[in-house]
Parts: sequence; C-alpha cells; structure tokens
Amino acid sequence: EVQLVESGGGLLHPGESLRLSCAASGFTFRTYGMNWVRQAPGKGLEWVAYIRPDETAVHYADSVNGRFTISRDNAKNSLYLQMNRLTVEDTAVYFCARGQTQTNNWFDPWGQGTQVIVSS
Amino acid sequence: EVVLTQSPATLSLSPGERATLSCRASQSVDRYLAWYQQKPGQAPRLLIFDASNRATGIPARFSGSGFGTDFTLTISSLETEDSAVYYCQQRKIWPPITFGQGTRLEIK
Repeated sequence: EVQLVESGGGLLHPGESLRLSCAASGFTFRTYGMNWVRQAPGKGLEWVAYIRPDETAVHYADSVNGRFTISRDNAKNSLYLQMNRLTVEDTAVYFCARGQTQTNNWFDPWGQGTQVIVSS
Repeated sequence: EVVLTQSPATLSLSPGERATLSCRASQSVDRYLAWYQQKPGQAPRLLIFDASNRATGIPARFSGSGFGTDFTLTISSLETEDSAVYYCQQRKIWPPITFGQGTRLEIK
C-alpha cells in the first residue's frame, strides 16, 4: 500500500524555524516527484514546493521562496521541508503529496497532514 | 499565474440528483486540469486528471470535461458520501501550481 506520513508540526513563534518530514512507503520513492501543499484554517489548498526525483530541480510558491527549502533523501524514502523565518501566515496543515505517476505531477496520494501553528 | 475560479461557491442538492461544478481558468491550460475531493478532517483525494480521466478507484458517477479555459466536474447521481469540498487544479503553467478556491457540495 502506498503511504505518506508527515511529522514535525508544532506550535512556534514568529521568526522561528521548523523542519517537516514525510516518510514514504509502498512505492519506489526515488522515481517520483514530490510536493508540499498547505491549507490554512478554514481556507483552500495552496501548493508550496516541488522537488524532482533526482533533486535536479526544485520550485517554490512566491509566498515561501527564500524562506522554505524542500529536500529529499532517496535512501531513506523521506521528503523534508525546512521552514525558516516563519510568520503567522504560515499557520496551516502541511500535506506531502506524490506525483501521480513517474511522468506527471498530479497529486496522488496525499499524506494525512501535519499542523503548524505560528503565533506570538 | 493562472487563476482558477470555481462556481458555485456552495451547492446544495438531494441524493440522486445531478451535480455540475464549474472551473474557469484565466488562460488556457489545455487539458492539464484535475479535480480533488476533500472531506472534513481528511486529506484531498484525486478524482479526475487531465480534465476527463478518472483516477484509480473513483466511481463512474464522477466525470470531467472541458479543454482550454472551461471545465466541468459532474456527479451523475449524488450519494450522501459525496458531501465534500471540491477543488480544481492546473499544472499547465507552473510554477506556481494553482488551485481554485473550492466548491462546497452539501447533500440534503
């Protein structure tokens, strides 16, 4: 069974840093592009970042570019999101999502999400 | 950035009725549009990709159509379990990958 499990969320103050993890299982992780998507309380979905299978390219939403870093460890079947200089606007549930196939980047499946709360 | 506008914001229908959800793109995305379903407290689930292809395990009552800037998700005969928020998403012109704001479907 394909499974994605996020961890690392928590309660932080503005300006602090946090690293999220996503553990993948049930598929050949190193051959799929991966994404982070977030959802602020009561709001819609916002794509955050993407990383290619071989890490040769990464892309970010403007709202996080320069503050967040997406990375992966294919040997550990793990995806990461390093979040620096957090603001209250970063409060959200963060989902990791796999590209549907090895050649397209529709999001399937998704993890259950991990909550990040930034508050003064 | 491609802006996706979904309508209506909320739809209230009865079991057995047909639901029609719309997604309009600010510029052409060809067929590179998907639909997701999200139930309260759950992660989204891919329903339709490439505008009209059902994802694995999705019931046949869900169908998608459209090309370019105008897309439709149709649920042919509603069941109570279809109560959810539905999002469209494009990946033709990215970054950024963008989502619509969602349509809330209520089953009376």
